[in-house]
Amino acid sequence: SQQGEEDPQALSIQEGENATMNCSYKTSINNLQWYRQNSGRGLVHLILIRSNEREKHSGRLRVTLDTSKKSSSLLITASRAADTASYFCATDPTGANSKLTFGKGITLSVRP
Amino acid sequence: GAVVSQHPSWVICKSGTSVKIECRSLDFQATTMFWYRQFPKQSLMLMATSNEGSKATYEQGVEKDKFLINHASLTLSTLTVTSAHPEDSSFYICSALARETQYFGPGTRLLVL
Repeated sequence: SQQGEEDPQALSIQEGENATMNCSYKTSINNLQWYRQNSGRGLVHLILIRSNEREKHSGRLRVTLDTSKKSSSLLITASRAADTASYFCATDPTGANSKLTFGKGITLSVRP
Repeated sequence: GAVVSQHPSWVICKSGTSVKIECRSLDFQATTMFWYRQFPKQSLMLMATSNEGSKATYEQGVEKDKFLINHASLTLSTLTVTSAHPEDSSFYICSALARETQYFGPGTRLLVL
């Protein structure tokens, strides 16, 4: 079964607004990662948060992790049309980055 | 740095033919590469782990005789879809492991007619 489950499945917002995407998982993890995929392209690594971390920032990205609830959120602030893409969370159980399990993804549309 | 390329970017073939997809790490060496498959609007599913100089490790349910993987050098892994059928049509993505991070290729779209 899928390890990561994102919600919502699709999100449409206006440029300048914030976008919040959630991911839930089922088993224990070493870290959780978020990726972006533009239509028909490969994945771009956005940010990694380890199981002993609660929050991490990178530019306009803010990721939180709640291991007690087995959930993570990705916040994109001041969204831009170029942020339009699919976003996936992926869990890594060992930290070796060799057995990533991806969620189904969230399609984000940012209207200019 | 850490650029991964795939070739071809898309391919159309007739049912029954074999198709080879290349995955190259352009500016780094990767002893481990991964092959994923992605159906439209679906997640990435790990097919196999490719290790340089040894046999690939396939995930449960992936036919190793159907999807041949060769990791002959530290910068190249190939996936050959043998006797392709329309149900093999999909988006195939590779990644290469470097510094404990997976760097993904741009993907190869395969359409089998």
